[in-house]
Amino acid sequence: DAGVTQSPTHLIKTRGQQVTLRCSPKSGHDTVSWYQQALGQGPQFIFQYYEEEERQRGNFPDRFSGHQFPNYSSELNVNALLLGDSALYLCASSQAGQIMNTEAFFGQGTRLTVV
Amino acid sequence: AQTVTQSQPEMSVQEAETVTLSCTYDTSESDYYLFWYKQPPSRQMILVIRQEAYKQQNATENRFSVNFQKAAKSFSLKISDSQLGDAAMYFCAYRKFYNTDKLIFGTGTRLQVFP
Repeated sequence: DAGVTQSPTHLIKTRGQQVTLRCSPKSGHDTVSWYQQALGQGPQFIFQYYEEEERQRGNFPDRFSGHQFPNYSSELNVNALLLGDSALYLCASSQAGQIMNTEAFFGQGTRLTVV
Repeated sequence: AQTVTQSQPEMSVQEAETVTLSCTYDTSESDYYLFWYKQPPSRQMILVIRQEAYKQQNATENRFSVNFQKAAKSFSLKISDSQLGDAAMYFCAYRKFYNTDKLIFGTGTRLQVFP
């Protein structure tokens, strides 16, 4: 089991550009959540996808959007990049419907730098 | 809204000694989960220990244990017999009852372990 995989690991973008980050969940997981971790801070919840729909959303502008595919993998898109979008973006997967044995598994993140 | 506070930005401990990391949280929920995650330089969030709020017994995982005080809304992590590999950022996190609810993280504590 490869666990949660994210790509790319690093990327550099220019202000105003658009970026797409990708996440493959852990085998058997059907729910994907995205978090933004600014330098020196804890992760902040962006949104969550389940059954190809956005189910929960944190306090992030509409420039942040996502998608989930039938194989449960997910993309995070950020439009009109700002310098403040520079952060580590973490993907976490989990299995919906389970109350016990509950934990989210995280990927290694994508480090986005906006210049 | 739920919040998580970690008031120790940095802590240090000598190898083989014991260290305690503090965490307080605020919630009006009665059923929820609390977690401690470790984030080494590899950036991947690794679950250290989990506590269910309805359980009075403090969780233990090998050298890691928690002191869960529900009334005081306190959730500290004790690391016994500290090892060099324990050096990392440690994040306290809160989640409502269902496993697909978002995680709310504190700002983290950087733990240094000296030989």
